[in-house]
Amino acid sequence: GIQVEQSPPDLILQEGANSTLRCNFSDSVNNLQWFHQNPWGQLINLFYIPSGTKQNGRLSATTVATERYSLLYISSSQTTDSGVYFCAVERIYNQGGKLIFGQGTELSVKP
Amino acid sequence: DVKVTQSSRYLVKRTGEKVFLECVQDMDHENMFWYRQDPGLGLRLIYFSYDVKMKEKGDIPEGYSVSREKKERFSLILESASTNQTSMYLCASSLTGGEKTQYFGPGTRLLVL
Repeated sequence: GIQVEQSPPDLILQEGANSTLRCNFSDSVNNLQWFHQNPWGQLINLFYIPSGTKQNGRLSATTVATERYSLLYISSSQTTDSGVYFCAVERIYNQGGKLIFGQGTELSVKP
Repeated sequence: DVKVTQSSRYLVKRTGEKVFLECVQDMDHENMFWYRQDPGLGLRLIYFSYDVKMKEKGDIPEGYSVSREKKERFSLILESASTNQTSMYLCASSLTGGEKTQYFGPGTRLLVL
């Protein structure tokens, strides 16, 4: 099956710093999403980005489908950005919208 | 806004009990999913459904069954709960076509004693 690898596994930042999270995947995809899981366990959808670049406030994401990776940028980080960030993909020609999740990047933003 | 709700945030059950976890979405999504999340193992798909009364096994269906009698509701059933089913259970829904963003419910933390 398709492999999804995220790096780094853990990240500690000072408030105000910028960071880049990476997601590599091993096969062609037609769906890629970034999620943030808050300390209460809720998964919040950040981006649906199978290709191209999107921005939403301090967050932006880029997926280069031909090279099988995606990047999530967090600028001017805040303590509320803490949590686990997941990348998830759906293999092309897959049916039913099944997502395969990476293991996540645990981000801690210190005040 | 899409809303996915789950019947309980926390649940404590005894070994051997039958457990029902319910999920409801209000956006007329065709697809619905049940995942479990465990430390070190990430999110794993248990079952999914792409239409009413249709279901497909995910990666770890053993010990679980599902029911989808109405489009908005997807139930996960633990026929005889066991301690190794202690976990966080997450429900999600999505459209079939177009932008297939999956939206998640708040999760149910199940403890089986």
